[in-house]
Amino acid sequence: KQEVTQIPAALSVPEGENLVLNCSFTDSAIYNLQWFRQDPGKGLTSLLLIQSSQREQTSGRLNASLDKSSGRSTLYIAASQPGDSATYLCAVNMDSNYQLIWGAGTKLIIKP
Amino acid sequence: GAVVSQHPSRVICKSGTSVKIECRSLDFQATTMFWYRQFPKQSLMLMATSNEGSKATYEQGVEKDKFLINHASLTLSTLTVTSAHPEDSSFYICSATNRGWPYEQYFGPGTRLTVT
Repeated sequence: KQEVTQIPAALSVPEGENLVLNCSFTDSAIYNLQWFRQDPGKGLTSLLLIQSSQREQTSGRLNASLDKSSGRSTLYIAASQPGDSATYLCAVNMDSNYQLIWGAGTKLIIKP
Repeated sequence: GAVVSQHPSRVICKSGTSVKIECRSLDFQATTMFWYRQFPKQSLMLMATSNEGSKATYEQGVEKDKFLINHASLTLSTLTVTSAHPEDSSFYICSATNRGWPYEQYFGPGTRLTVT
C-alpha cells in the first residue's frame, strides 16, 4: 500500500531564504506526482506536475524534482516571500483509476 | 484551460435538511470526478470516485445513502448531503480528469458546509 510522507510538518524561515520541502513515497510504481499549495480556508492550487519519466519541473521560483528509485520528491522554493506562506501538499497518482495518494502537508511560514 | 468550478462556495443549512454541491468542468470533458472532504488542519480524504454515466464508487466508511453523488454529464457532478448533521460540517473539494495526458486532476475551489 502506497504511503506518502512529508517532512517537516511545519517550517518557518526568514524572507529571502531558499528552502526545500520533502515528499517521500513507498511504492515507486507511480504515474506522476503533483505539488499543491493550499491557503487557509481555500482550495488547492496546482504548482507542478512531474510525470514518472521526468526528473524535474520548474515554474518561476519553484523547482520540483523526482527520484522514483529512491521514492523521493523535493520542492525547492527560491528567494522565499511572505506570500509563499501556505500549506504545501504532495500527491502521487498510482494507476489508471487516477486516485491520488496524499501526504499530510508541510505548513510553511515565511517571516518578513 | 482545465478549470473546475464549485457552487456554492459556502453554504449554511439546518440540521436535517439536504444540501447539493455542484462541480463543473468548464473547458474540458471530465470522464472521472472525485469528491474529497477536508477537516481542519488535515489533508484531503477521498470520499468517492464517479465516472460519467456510472454509479459512484465510495471509499470505505463513507455512507453512500448519505452522500449521494450523481455524474450525469461529462461536465457536471453533484454531491448531495442528505439529512445533514453538524458533524457533516466540513470543506468539500471536487476534482476532475479527462483520463488522458497529462493524467492530471484539476481541483475546484471547494465548498464550505456548515450545518447548524
